[in-house]
Amino acid sequence: QSVLTQPPSVSAAPGQKVTISCSGSSSNIGNNYVSWYQQLPGTAPKLLIYDNNKRPSGIPDRFSGSKSGTSATLGITGLQTGDEADYYCGTWDSSLSANWVFGGGTKLTVL
Amino acid sequence: QVQLVESGGGVVQPGGSLRLSCAASGFTFSSYGMHWVRQAPGKGLEWVAFIRYDGSNKYYADSVKGRFTISRDNSKNTLYLQMNSLRAEDTAVYYCAKDLGQWRPLDYWGQGTLVTVSS
Repeated sequence: QSVLTQPPSVSAAPGQKVTISCSGSSSNIGNNYVSWYQQLPGTAPKLLIYDNNKRPSGIPDRFSGSKSGTSATLGITGLQTGDEADYYCGTWDSSLSANWVFGGGTKLTVL
Repeated sequence: QVQLVESGGGVVQPGGSLRLSCAASGFTFSSYGMHWVRQAPGKGLEWVAFIRYDGSNKYYADSVKGRFTISRDNSKNTLYLQMNSLRAEDTAVYYCAKDLGQWRPLDYWGQGTLVTVSS
């Protein structure tokens, strides 16, 4: 059971838009920045979004992030088959000690 | 460019020990906190441990507390994870990752090393 809750899977057609939600609490998302990671099959995770809505260099603006209260959302527009991957949200959690927490992951299928 | 290369994985019996290493290059290792994250076969990411840039503070997931120890040698640009009393549920790919700065997110990840705990 992950501290952050994500839908197990989402799907959409090429060219369409999809959103992935990440729900937490005041001890994590509510008081900390959220990051998003993309994990392509058989590879290590890659940072996609940090500080709720910032993109590292090289990440296309088709990827966006937002946060409201204790929830965050990753948006992907102009879907491509190469976007098929697992997506994870993550943030610091200060409930007991300083732990980093991940969501359970969302499998994106581009139909 | 930032490079993180894990090593030390392998097959170990339940109750055994293993030490993972993560060799860092392409950035000032002594200025950044470092994490270990694992991923069991077919499962999601699980954060394991974090050590601050100077090794002054260490934090662990409850699932490994008392069994795993994170450490670093800034003179060798290397991160370590000493794993003792290993269990079948510790079987996973172990990734090391660099943080973006103090209490910031993980930004660069290594390619991972597989640890299999089996008799």
